[in-house]
Amino acid sequence: GQQLNQSPQSMFIQEGEDVSMNCTSSSIFNTWLWYKQDPGEGPVLLIALYKAGELTSNGRLTAQFGITRKDSFLNISASIPSDVGIYFCAGQPSSNTGNQFYFGTGTSLTVIP
Amino acid sequence: KAGVTQTPRYLIKTRGQQVTLSCSPISGHRSVSWYQQTPGQGLQFLFEYFSETQRNKGNFPGRFSGRQFSNSRSEMNVSTLELGDSALYLCASARRGTYGYTFGSGTRLTVV
Repeated sequence: GQQLNQSPQSMFIQEGEDVSMNCTSSSIFNTWLWYKQDPGEGPVLLIALYKAGELTSNGRLTAQFGITRKDSFLNISASIPSDVGIYFCAGQPSSNTGNQFYFGTGTSLTVIP
Repeated sequence: KAGVTQTPRYLIKTRGQQVTLSCSPISGHRSVSWYQQTPGQGLQFLFEYFSETQRNKGNFPGRFSGRQFSNSRSEMNVSTLELGDSALYLCASARRGTYGYTFGSGTRLTVV
């Protein structure tokens, strides 16, 4: 199935630094979701985006739905050790009826205290 | 508010056997989707059920099947298990449209 291009694949940052990651697709998407997954657990929904250009925050996290509807961005400000994990983007194509999401390959985040 | 509940959490099966996994969605959520997660392929969509009807299906062989009951609980079945079916199987439920698309903790299936 289709997968989104998510970058970077991994990041090693110092505590307190800001983080940026993004996802791109060749298809137009109606919905973008961002998740964080800890080892052995299911992904936890961080932010949901439903309109092109939409900018949404959840605490230190901010995500944007790209104007072209083919990309999305996630920023984490002032990282802390508990931000460690794998972050996934998920997109729902505009051609899709119902709930079928395509997932990015994930960004593994390591925060060095 | 209870989240999405998947049972069992861990399962070990032998090649050729069949397995049934269960998912109880969040109360009020009528859409249930299933995904397979492996290190090599990432998260891959299996199928989605809404009001007991399969609404979407991913590119998986017919050995993978599912169903949804009138209380929105869902099961997926994998027949004639292969080693490559070893994965974390995740279930996600949603209420209206894609709102609140929430995952369970998954079932870790190991085929030996």
